[in-house]
Amino acid sequence: ETGVTQSPTHLIKTRGQQVTLRCSSQSGHNTVSWYQQALGQGPQFIFQYYREEENGRGNFPPRFSGLQFPNYSSELNVNALELDDSALYLCASSLAVSTDTQYFGPGTRLTVL
Amino acid sequence: DQQVKQNSPSLSVQEGRISILNCDYTNSMFDYFLWYKKYPAEGPTFLISISSIKDKNEDGRFTVFLNKSAKHLSLHIVPSQPGDSAVYFCAACSAFGNEKLTFGTGTRLTIIP
Repeated sequence: ETGVTQSPTHLIKTRGQQVTLRCSSQSGHNTVSWYQQALGQGPQFIFQYYREEENGRGNFPPRFSGLQFPNYSSELNVNALELDDSALYLCASSLAVSTDTQYFGPGTRLTVL
Repeated sequence: DQQVKQNSPSLSVQEGRISILNCDYTNSMFDYFLWYKKYPAEGPTFLISISSIKDKNEDGRFTVFLNKSAKHLSLHIVPSQPGDSAVYFCAACSAFGNEKLTFGTGTRLTIIP
């Protein structure tokens, strides 16, 4: 069983730049969710992809976008970075039919200067 | 608007004793609740869950209690072990086949040997 992996581990960007974060889902999982965890906070739901289509979105602006690929890997893209985008970004993969087997990756720590 | 609240940022418990972590929620649409455990530099790991049709679920040393009328749940760990030292997140969702979790802010549990 292959776990969820994310790349890169850490990233430093400047305000206004664009960033792409990557996630490789657990084998066989067709659903991926992305979360933003600011310092001292719990993870906040950004959006979810199911079979390559967006399947729900949290309270995040359109400059946060995503893609899911046929091999179930996925990307989170953030345009026009702001200082408040500095956070740990987590992806989680799961089988769509279940709520309690959401497997999280270790996250990407993004710092915006 | 914090729909899931963990009012204790930290908790210290002696090894062998019971650890009780609390969580409150405000959204009446939530009907499925989960606890995740997070070690530094790792993603959250699923621990235990409970559906709103139950008031208790037990798995080894871990028991989750749900009081729907009070919109309150708690996680009991007994006996507490040093390896239980971690940040614990309470999460909730509406179990209509989606997994868009709403997380609390977490409680850092420290087990004192």
